[in-house]
Amino acid sequence: EVKLVESGGGLVQPGRSLKLSCAASGFNFNDYWMGWVRQAPGKGLEWIGEINKDSSTINYTPSLKDKFTISRDNAQNTLYLQMSKLGSEDTAIYYCARDYSSWGQGVMVTVSS
Amino acid sequence: EIVLTQSPTTMAASPGEKVTLTCLASSSVNYIYWYQQKSSASPKLLIYYTSSLASGVPDRFSGSGSGTSYSLTISSMEAEDAAIYYCLQLTSTPLTFGSGTKLEIK
Repeated sequence: EVKLVESGGGLVQPGRSLKLSCAASGFNFNDYWMGWVRQAPGKGLEWIGEINKDSSTINYTPSLKDKFTISRDNAQNTLYLQMSKLGSEDTAIYYCARDYSSWGQGVMVTVSS
Repeated sequence: EIVLTQSPTTMAASPGEKVTLTCLASSSVNYIYWYQQKSSASPKLLIYYTSSLASGVPDRFSGSGSGTSYSLTISSMEAEDAAIYYCLQLTSTPLTFGSGTKLEIK
């Protein structure tokens, strides 16, 4: 069974950084592109970016390219999202997804002083 | 960036009614994914590559389309189908989602 579990969320002050993790199990992590998607409260889905199998290709949505960094550790079966210069507009549930077919349960990030 | 426009924004359907949701792309895309999202749950994949039914999804759901126009059809509405539906284009980055259609049961 494919399982994706996000962690690392919580309350963070504006301007600070936060790193999310997505632990994968139930499939060969090395064989799949992985992505991050977020959803602000009461809003729709927003694609953040994705990373290919060997980290040689990483794509971002333009508005977040300078703030967020996606990486992965295939030895640890884990996907990461490093977020910096956080603002209130980054308050959202953050989901990781395996080739956009299987999704994690999401982790809440709240940016507030 | 390819913009996906979903219509209607909101609709209500009676049990047994046929429902068609539309996703229009600002430029031609190769295929579309469709998702269902209920309350605070994560999105559930319904349709991939425009018309392929995801595992475990009831066959009352179907997808069709090409180019800039795609649709998701529910052949016979059930109460459990009340949810928000999103389309996603994966043809070019940045990937983009439609703004969603909220489907309610009458």
